[in-house]
Amino acid sequence: EDQVTQSPEALRLQEGESSSLNCSYTVSGLRGLFWYRQDPGKGPEFLFTLYSAGEEKEKERLKATLTKKESFLHITAPKPEDSATYLCAVQAYGGSQGNLIFGKGTKLSVKP
Amino acid sequence: ETGVTQTPRHLVMGMTNKKSLKCEQHLGHNAMYWYKQSAKKPLELMFVYNFKEQTENNSVPSRFSPECPNSSHLFLHLHTLQPEDSALYLCASSLQETQYFGPGTRLLVL
Repeated sequence: EDQVTQSPEALRLQEGESSSLNCSYTVSGLRGLFWYRQDPGKGPEFLFTLYSAGEEKEKERLKATLTKKESFLHITAPKPEDSATYLCAVQAYGGSQGNLIFGKGTKLSVKP
Repeated sequence: ETGVTQTPRHLVMGMTNKKSLKCEQHLGHNAMYWYKQSAKKPLELMFVYNFKEQTENNSVPSRFSPECPNSSHLFLHLHTLQPEDSALYLCASSLQETQYFGPGTRLLVL
């Protein structure tokens, strides 16, 4: 069964304290892995799509990496405005069209 | 407004009411989706439409009825809902793999 597990569930950081969020997945054949940011009461905001092991993408203080079993979202020198829930999702080859399997998310709090 | 829009943003309804949620995408995408997001649970895919044709129905109860009149508009018709249906309902659209989400409708069923 295709599955996505995110850890930790919650993470508290001081401003400037770098850290990483983990997304472990099991899927029959990975078509794509997606990272989203979600603020309270809002819809998920797209961050990155990764397609193959070894791929990396960056955006401001965020960097996403991918291996055959997991993805990391590295946050460098975070600021309070980076506080949000970060969602990971995978899409499998051969699965139903558009079927993203989401993890439960990691709630990040960055204190000034 | 650009991107994916949803109306209303908040909705309170009784179990005997009938209401509809609306989604509109301004991105030229050909696929649209409905998701349900409940507290402490992952996003759950409900319906998928591709070029106005429904291609996915993830065992959703019949009290939820989707409608897709064209590639830019998607509706979710609600009737005789239960309190456990209270959640954030999200619409998304895509052209290829990446899905873009709207702001959601926060639904409370009393």
